[in-house]
Amino acid sequence: ETGVTQTPRHLVMGMTNKKSLKCEQHLGHNAMYWYKQSAKKPLELMFVYNFKEQTENNSVPSRFSPECPNSSHLFLHLHTLQPEDSALYLCASSQDKVETQYFGPGTRLLVL
Amino acid sequence: AQSVTQLGSHVSVSEGALVLLRCNYSSSVPPYLFWYVQYPNQGLQLLLKYTSAATLVKGINGFEAEFKKSETSFHLTKPSAHMSDAAEYFCAVRVAGNMLTFGGGTRLMVKP
Repeated sequence: ETGVTQTPRHLVMGMTNKKSLKCEQHLGHNAMYWYKQSAKKPLELMFVYNFKEQTENNSVPSRFSPECPNSSHLFLHLHTLQPEDSALYLCASSQDKVETQYFGPGTRLLVL
Repeated sequence: AQSVTQLGSHVSVSEGALVLLRCNYSSSVPPYLFWYVQYPNQGLQLLLKYTSAATLVKGINGFEAEFKKSETSFHLTKPSAHMSDAAEYFCAVRVAGNMLTFGGGTRLMVKP
């Protein structure tokens, strides 16, 4: 595998479910990001991790819980989501927060 | 504070015609500027970036962009559109110490 990978690519979940999104980067980067992309809205930065430490949390609801066990892996744990949380969730990585970000293919999430 | 505006959420061109996608930024300090492309059901792919070297930046797939400080613009161009260029294009800005800020995106349609 090369670049940034995300699994699953598609996910349908009910509002009472708990699920997790996974991101893995094979670029040797030390910063990782979660973005939310909704229809008709600009990309929204959700979380930033640098060297496994969370450095940004853009007022994201607590039903989204990130986890970064090491510099190569990033998870987004989901629980009791709302239909308005349906979106494409994109993961990205970069070498330090100041360098160019490289994106994964995204997970298309539908909350019923 | 930094911001970016993409004029035109949809642009339609004929195959072989010039592609011009507009991006204007707002920043009180010299910015780094990026163009990303997103094909259907995929993540964002870096097309090109400006990092204060040459003002005319060449990217992949025949695209280029010119940084014009006096106009606070970073428009994306391609001399001759191809059907495979149909996608959504995002302009993004970053200044030192800050995160990437994305524009709202421009969907490019290419007519045969």
